[in-house]
Amino acid sequence: AIQLTQSPSSLSASVGDRVTITCRASQGITSDLAWYQQKPGKSPKLLIYDASSLESGLPSRFSGSGSGTDFTLTISSLQPEDFATYYCQQFNSYPLTFGGGTKVEIK
Amino acid sequence: QVQLQESGPGLVKPSETLSLTCTVSGGSIRSSYWSWIRQPPRKGLQWIGYIHYTGSTNYNPSLKSRVTISVNTSKNQFSLRLNSVTAADTAVYYCASGGDSWFDPWGQGTLVTVSS
Repeated sequence: AIQLTQSPSSLSASVGDRVTITCRASQGITSDLAWYQQKPGKSPKLLIYDASSLESGLPSRFSGSGSGTDFTLTISSLQPEDFATYYCQQFNSYPLTFGGGTKVEIK
Repeated sequence: QVQLQESGPGLVKPSETLSLTCTVSGGSIRSSYWSWIRQPPRKGLQWIGYIHYTGSTNYNPSLKSRVTISVNTSKNQFSLRLNSVTAADTAVYYCASGGDSWFDPWGQGTLVTVSS
């Protein structure tokens, strides 16, 4: 199975900060990567698909980049509603797998 | 827009079978792949498997020997059965649209606790 390693596992940031989360795959997955946001007690919400395509209706402060084994999710200016846990997920091969998550907390 | 809702017992005894159903509304189950995903308390996400409306399935090898996913197109539902459960199967179980790529949307999730 392809392993996805996210870093950091948690971070503290302030409103307005630029935040970058990385996801590294154990083998190349081209651009077959999605990012999700999960708030406490809620189901994950799709943010980014195909590594860099922003889900319709979501704010442009979220962006994704990368291909092969290294990927990033960037929040250009952190807003209060962005404090959550973020997961990456690969769909290049089965079993489909998720990264361990990155918790973004208020500084 | 498509919405999903999980239903089933919240408590299952060890060694018994966990059974959940996902009802799809606002769209046809004949339009996509449909997956089950779980999340143990305070842990990450694990894909369990998918079913296509044609009945084809794909399971996570780590659970394959215990999992069955089925579909009922007339009711716009798909179901999960996980047998021989242990405490390690305690988790929030989500159903979601997808299985050949990303997952969207997801159901709200249902907590299943394995305990005697």
